[in-house]
Amino acid sequence: AQSVTQLGSHVSVSEGALVLLRCNYSSSVPPYLFWYVQYPNQGLQLLLKYTSAATLVKGINGFEAEFKKSETSFHLTKPSAHMSDAAEYFCAVSVTGANSKLTFGKGITLSVRP
Amino acid sequence: KAGVTQTPRYLIKTRGQQVTLSCSPISGHRSVSWYQQTPGQGLQFLFEYFSETQRNKGNFPGRFSGRQFSNSRSEMNVSTLELGDSALYLCASGPDRPNYGYTFGSGTRLTVV
Repeated sequence: AQSVTQLGSHVSVSEGALVLLRCNYSSSVPPYLFWYVQYPNQGLQLLLKYTSAATLVKGINGFEAEFKKSETSFHLTKPSAHMSDAAEYFCAVSVTGANSKLTFGKGITLSVRP
Repeated sequence: KAGVTQTPRYLIKTRGQQVTLSCSPISGHRSVSWYQQTPGQGLQFLFEYFSETQRNKGNFPGRFSGRQFSNSRSEMNVSTLELGDSALYLCASGPDRPNYGYTFGSGTRLTVV
């Protein structure tokens, strides 16, 4: 079975500062990894995905993530935070086959201080 | 291209009642999955339907059921509602390639009183 660990439940950064949201995964087979963002009272929006091609993945809104197999990590970064980035972020893992559901981490709430 | 449409957006039901939620996936997507989101348990997988067949099921009691129609639209039913069923129910649609990712709807907020 797959699992995802997102350390910490809340991250606060200043506007313009680096955003780093951590995600570690566990999977016995090669995983597909995703980051989703959720704004209040909305569904999940896909930010980016790793699908075994390039290990550095660029997504929407200036976010990127790097797949590191040796560290079983898929951390999300953005060089400069904007106020509009304040939201909840979820890392998720999936695999090919009958068990292709998304398994999510607990989520991290990002706050951006002016 | 229309997104994933979930109806209704908000619902208030009384304990013991049953409820049906609807999800219309993106055109051409044959996979529809349902997730329950609560503050305590986070996002939990309920089930997935593909071409009208349940392909995968999470660890929820039998009160939670679903189905998918020939046009890929899906419904989720919860019978004998309990207070703990209050949650945001999210539907996700996708092609038959898990690496493509899934597109989520805005969800149905169910409150059980």
